[in-house]
Amino acid sequence: DQQVKQNSPSLSVQEGRISILNCDYTNSMFDYFLWYKKYPAEGPTFLISISSIKDKNEDGRFTVFLNKSAKHLSLHIVPSQPGDSAVYFCAASGFGATNKLIFGTGTLLAVQP
Amino acid sequence: NAGVTQTPKFRVLKTGQSMTLLCAQDMNHEYMYWYRQDPGMGLRLIHYSVGEGTTAKGEVPDGYNVSRLKKQNFLLGLESAAPSQTSVYFCASSFLLANQETQYFGPGTRLLVL
Repeated sequence: DQQVKQNSPSLSVQEGRISILNCDYTNSMFDYFLWYKKYPAEGPTFLISISSIKDKNEDGRFTVFLNKSAKHLSLHIVPSQPGDSAVYFCAASGFGATNKLIFGTGTLLAVQP
Repeated sequence: NAGVTQTPKFRVLKTGQSMTLLCAQDMNHEYMYWYRQDPGMGLRLIHYSVGEGTTAKGEVPDGYNVSRLKKQNFLLGLESAAPSQTSVYFCASSFLLANQETQYFGPGTRLLVL
């Protein structure tokens, strides 16, 4: 039973446009959410996070939105750049995961020049 | 400050052979983790440690053992490798701040079991 789901395995976007990556979760005990970015042959790197007490967190070109009632979060990248091409993992933690991170399966973002 | 390092980067094993993967972190983190990444499966937790001398099972612990003899090192052992253990293995470490944890990952070890 997958508690964190990324239903889109891949996404292709034109350079300069907005990229929107989606993530759904099933466990209402999750209270902290993160996005990681992974390039080929490298480990995941932390990108941005959000606590359940907020509905939006912004860091430069990256914004994460959290909709607790829908158990949904999204990562917006504006404007998208070719260097953003990578796999993006959503992760969640909270009492339901006993403080461990539960990862989604990832979305491969390709930003076309 | 190297962060999280993993040794080796790549290894080929025959079925039944054993090996140990080494993870080291220089951030003085209490928590350390071992994950495996397989196509379409995301990152799955194998074992983790909340401090020196302590370990616990994660989501997929079978066929693996771990040890945390020093705070900065976390070892993952395969006693008798199987083809199903072909994967990319990532180590991570973290500190826990107010129940909000950010994990920092190593570059990964690619393991092929023939």
